[in-house]
Amino acid sequence: QKEVEQNSGPLSVPEGAIASLNCTYSDRGSQSFFWYRQYSGKSPELIMSIYSNGDKEDGRFTAQLNKASQYVSLLIRDSQPSDSATYLCAAGGYQKVTFGIGTKLQVIP
Amino acid sequence: ETGVTQTPRHLVMGMTNKKSLKCEQHLGHNAMYWYKQSAKKPLELMFVYSLEERVENNSVPSRFSPECPNSSHLFLHLHTLQPEDSALYLCASSQTRDSYEQYFGPGTRLTVT
Repeated sequence: QKEVEQNSGPLSVPEGAIASLNCTYSDRGSQSFFWYRQYSGKSPELIMSIYSNGDKEDGRFTAQLNKASQYVSLLIRDSQPSDSATYLCAAGGYQKVTFGIGTKLQVIP
Repeated sequence: ETGVTQTPRHLVMGMTNKKSLKCEQHLGHNAMYWYKQSAKKPLELMFVYSLEERVENNSVPSRFSPECPNSSHLFLHLHTLQPEDSALYLCASSQTRDSYEQYFGPGTRLTVT
């Protein structure tokens, strides 16, 4: 069973802090990794993709991938109340994408 | 219209009704997906279509019947559903089955009474 594991949270951080969201995956054959943001009552929105080991930065977001540890993370710098959402981690491989349960992030003003 | 659209956005149906969910993608993608999202559970992949051919059916009950008339449109026909089928049904598309970056529609919130 290929799995993507996330802590469901909630993760609470004060406004302006760095939010760190983590994810592990079980299938070493996974090639592509994604972070989706899902606001309450809305659908998932793709915010980051990462394919190779290391960091990838896009604005306030940094995705980190460590294939040896089968670990993916998302850092959100200068967290804003508008970042409050559930963040889904996903791993792609063998023509399939597996999603985690999502981590609920609460940014406290 | 841009991206992936879905209609209706909300649907309430009885267990004896027949209804259909519609999805349309305006991204020129070749793969389309139906997912079910229930509270406190990961997204469940239901069906995958690639170039209008169904390539995956994840042990979904026969009361759910997909249809893909062309690469831009996807339907999910519903009949004799159960209350446990109440969920958010999401359509997604990707460039190909191998590209993995999936873009989701807004979803249909289904309630079965």
